[in-house]
Amino acid sequence: DAGVIQSPRHEVTEMGQEVTLRCKPISGHDYLFWYRQTMMRGLELLIYFNNNVPIDDSGMPEDRFSAKMPNASFSTLKIQPSEPRDSAVYFCASSSFSLVKLGYTFGSGTRLTVV
Amino acid sequence: GESVGLHLPTLSVQEGDNSIINCAYSNSASDYFIWYKQESGKGPQFIIDIRSNMDKRQGQRVTVLLNKTVKHLSLQIAATQPGDSAVYFCAEIENNAGNMLTFGGGTRLMVKP
Repeated sequence: DAGVIQSPRHEVTEMGQEVTLRCKPISGHDYLFWYRQTMMRGLELLIYFNNNVPIDDSGMPEDRFSAKMPNASFSTLKIQPSEPRDSAVYFCASSSFSLVKLGYTFGSGTRLTVV
Repeated sequence: GESVGLHLPTLSVQEGDNSIINCAYSNSASDYFIWYKQESGKGPQFIIDIRSNMDKRQGQRVTVLLNKTVKHLSLQIAATQPGDSAVYFCAEIENNAGNMLTFGGGTRLMVKP
């Protein structure tokens, strides 16, 4: 099992540009989570999906952020337009209902720098 | 490595000594707790978990203790090794709040050779 796969690993973009982060969850997992990690705020849950349906997006900071999960094997987190304060590491994690109590499996993250 | 905080509390221990990392939680309704380890450049990795009806659980070189009276969780690492150097997070789940993990702020463990 390749685990949760995120791309790109690093992204540097200019303020105002659109950024798209990608995630492939573990096959068979029906929960997918997007987290953001910063020095000041630690790990924050942005949004999570169950069976490809967004369940809770209350953590999405602004309308500039959007997330989709068109199928069970792919999700995107988009920021448009990006701002310097969006610079952070973005993690995707997945889990299955029966295993959710055993914790999530995290990807290696995408380090986003907005200049 | 990835950004996990210059502002994190840091525990520095000698290789071979035991480490104790503490976590206070605020939600008395939480019924499941997990410890995660995050190494530089990687995502958090599951270490050990405990349910609220337990007060102790042991794994390989790690033990988690839960004190619900004071809402305190600790992770004990026996014979700490250089490979244990990382940031450690506690996380909690409340049964009636969906399946979302709420993470604590993290502690950086540094192991001196």
